[in-house]
Amino acid sequence: DIQMTQSPSSLSASVGDRVTITCQASQDISNYLNWYHQKPGKAPKLLIYDASNLETGVPSRFSGSGSGTDFTFTISSLQPEDIATYYCQQYDNLPPYTFGQGTKLEIK
Amino acid sequence: EVQLVQSGAEVKKPGESLRISCKGSGYSFTSYWISWVRQMPGKGLEWMGRIDPSDSYTNYSPSFQGHVTISADKSISTAYLQWSSLKASDTAMYYCAREGYYDSSGFYRVGAFDYWGQGTLVTVSS
Repeated sequence: DIQMTQSPSSLSASVGDRVTITCQASQDISNYLNWYHQKPGKAPKLLIYDASNLETGVPSRFSGSGSGTDFTFTISSLQPEDIATYYCQQYDNLPPYTFGQGTKLEIK
Repeated sequence: EVQLVQSGAEVKKPGESLRISCKGSGYSFTSYWISWVRQMPGKGLEWMGRIDPSDSYTNYSPSFQGHVTISADKSISTAYLQWSSLKASDTAMYYCAREGYYDSSGFYRVGAFDYWGQGTLVTVSS
């Protein structure tokens, strides 16, 4: 299985801050990488697909980049409603698809 | 409006069987794969497997192969996740999710889960 390593596992930031989360794959996955967030008690929500494409309706403060094994997710200006756990997910090698372990984002 | 509506919470005993459901609406159910994702209490997301509702072809994660069965009834736009003998370790929230999109050339691109069900909480306890 391809392992996805996310960092940090938790993050505290202030409203308006730029926030960055990284995800590293255990092998080359090209751009087959998606990002989701999950708010408490809710289902996950797709934010970025194919490493850098913004899902329809998702605010432009969210962005993604990277290819191969190293990927970055960025919130350009943190808003209170962005409090959630963020997950990366690879789909290069099926089965199985795999998720990162998650990054819990909190407001400072 | 695309919706995936899952069946309600279940409380079962170890060894019992269970089938939970995921009903799609607002789109062509046979045009997109449906995946199932497990989330154990306080933990992350785990992909279990998926089904192509058009022909019921399935893929499973090795971690779940042989312990669960994924099926679908395209006549009623519903996918299922089934256990024949539950364990306490199956206690979790289970989500179904629609997979993929059609690009500008009309090709189906797999991998991303764009719509999710609300989740079904399964509790297994003696």
